[in-house]
Amino acid sequence: EAGVAQSPRYKIIEKRQSVAFWCNPISGHATLYWYQQILGQGPKLLIQFQNNGVVDDSQLPKDRFSAERLKGVDSTLKIQPAKLEDSAVYLCASSLVGSESDTQYFGPGTRLTVL
Amino acid sequence: AQSVTQLDSHVSVSEGTPVLLRCNYSSSYSPSLFWYVQHPNKGLQLLLKYTSAATLVKGINGFEAEFKKSETSFHLTKPSAHMSDAAEYFCVVKNNFNKFYFGSGTKLNVKP
Repeated sequence: EAGVAQSPRYKIIEKRQSVAFWCNPISGHATLYWYQQILGQGPKLLIQFQNNGVVDDSQLPKDRFSAERLKGVDSTLKIQPAKLEDSAVYLCASSLVGSESDTQYFGPGTRLTVL
Repeated sequence: AQSVTQLDSHVSVSEGTPVLLRCNYSSSYSPSLFWYVQHPNKGLQLLLKYTSAATLVKGINGFEAEFKKSETSFHLTKPSAHMSDAAEYFCVVKNNFNKFYFGSGTKLNVKP
């Protein structure tokens, strides 16, 4: 079975520029997560979708970050404008719902460097 | 509120010796607990999970963890380290609202 796909794998931008990341979850996984992993820290949840609805976005900096999952499948995370402190790896994960919702499957991540 | 504390940021062992990675948690509810491993340039992979069944949980690659409610701990162990175990390990707690909280990670170094 194909895993979680993310693109691009690496991105370098200057501060105040915009950037977008794409995630395609495992087929049939209703739940999709975006995490931010700053160097030396554990992943922090930014937003969680179930199908195309937002379950939790309490830690998403909404003044600059946005995310959508319009058709309940793939998702896009955008940062506009970027700040230096946004440099991190952005991880996408997906899971089933119900009794199997415990197991998250992670993509390889997108490493963002903001100069 | 939920939180996870990984007591060691770095652990170094010799190949063939036991591994102990420590994790303490706080949770308002009966938690679900997980260990994930992250190899360089690879995605996070689930090692094992505890979801209120047996307190001793066996995972992949010979790892296991024991849930101790009285100590609020969920330490990860392996009897004999292998070079391929070198990676970063994350302890994770899930609350009753299906929100996951990651620890800050422990980097395991295995010396030949």
